[in-house]
Amino acid sequence: AQTVTQSQPEMSVQEAETVTLSCTYDTSESDYYLFWYKQPPSRQMILVIRQEAYKQQNATENRFSVNFQKAAKSFSLKISDSQLGDAAMYFCAYERGNTPLVFGKGTRLSVIA
Amino acid sequence: EPEVTQTPSHQVTQMGQEVILRCVPISNHLYFYWYRQILGQKVEFLVSFYNNEISEKSEIFDDQFSVERPDGSNFTLKIRSTKLEDSAMYFCASSKRHGEETQYFGPGTRLLVL
Repeated sequence: AQTVTQSQPEMSVQEAETVTLSCTYDTSESDYYLFWYKQPPSRQMILVIRQEAYKQQNATENRFSVNFQKAAKSFSLKISDSQLGDAAMYFCAYERGNTPLVFGKGTRLSVIA
Repeated sequence: EPEVTQTPSHQVTQMGQEVILRCVPISNHLYFYWYRQILGQKVEFLVSFYNNEISEKSEIFDDQFSVERPDGSNFTLKIRSTKLEDSAMYFCASSKRHGEETQYFGPGTRLLVL
């Protein structure tokens, strides 16, 4: 079974600085999708970024980018120019065709003004 | 921008009571999901639904749970006889296709069983 591991339960970053959240996963598949979801205190799950495993180019969405290392099964999220509104739980998730999303345990990010 | 909606936002119920959680997926989506998140824990898959039938379910989704798409827009999760351990945030999600499309989540229903 696929597993997703987020080894950092908590992280903090100064406002305007850059932070990287780690995620590793275990799969025997070659085609799959990886996601980062943000969960603010309201507990809504908000999609941050998505990466298709067949694409070598790292996905980017404004201040958010990923470092996808397929061979290492690593999928880290970099947040640049951190803002107070970035404070939230961040969940890494894996999806393979015909399987549901598998989530990691999350990383709580604090942003210090 | 289309979004998944869920009602109610909060529900408090007594142990043993039945609850129905409602979701309206994005209109052109075909795959629907329920996930739950016990406070402080990770999000767990419950069930997926396509073409008016369950396509996959987890071990959590036992006989106490059922899902239904009673009309063209609503997607419901019923818990027949709630237990204390059913207290959690329940998320509905939908996608255009299964496995190759992003799942978009609703805002969740916070269920508290007393």
